[in-house]
Amino acid sequence: GAVVSQHPSRVICKSGTSVKIECRSLDFQATTMFWYRQFPKQSLMLMATSNEGSKATYEQGVEKDKFLINHASLTLSTLTVTSAHPEDSSFYICSASYSGSFYNEQFFGPGTRLTVL
Amino acid sequence: AQRVTQPEKLLSVFKGAPVELKCNYSYSGSPELFWYVQYSRQRLQLLLRHISRESIKGFTADLNKGETSFHLKKPFAQEEDSAMYYCALSPPAAGNKLTFGGGTRVLVKP
Repeated sequence: GAVVSQHPSRVICKSGTSVKIECRSLDFQATTMFWYRQFPKQSLMLMATSNEGSKATYEQGVEKDKFLINHASLTLSTLTVTSAHPEDSSFYICSASYSGSFYNEQFFGPGTRLTVL
Repeated sequence: AQRVTQPEKLLSVFKGAPVELKCNYSYSGSPELFWYVQYSRQRLQLLLRHISRESIKGFTADLNKGETSFHLKKPFAQEEDSAMYYCALSPPAAGNKLTFGGGTRVLVKP
């Protein structure tokens, strides 16, 4: 149980276009979803936290208008990278947690590799 | 702000040898601490958390508040332990947000 999926797994886009990444909790209702970014050979950096039905909370230094997060339902959150540029190329990982799990454990998706040309 | 440091980027040990992954943290209060593991071509998954005081797959981790450390240990490493290991911290009342260390790659040689 507690499976999180991401779609797409890989995406290549041209500079200036927008890309949407979906994060779904498949067998539970996620009260909170998190979005991380991971550069090659580096650790995960939390970008934002989103709770269903409310605005996402962004970490310091993360541009809200650049990385749009929507958490419209208890099983889906989306991250849209607007006007993507090569420096946005990275591995984006989401995680989800639900109230009632032991210490609100986070369950991670497999990640989405974004390459901006 | 909190910080998690994993000083070793790579640990290479032989099968059957002990392995210890170091994790030091900086936080003024009493955070929750975790170890996450990522096996090759798999997603990140929770290995263990300090609050549970559990042993998973032979791994244990002891929280030392005096030294602000949460080192991960296994007395006899197995080849299937080869993976990337991340230490993570979550401050209390932070909505279970995680701050990750830089990660340590463990390679267990036959």
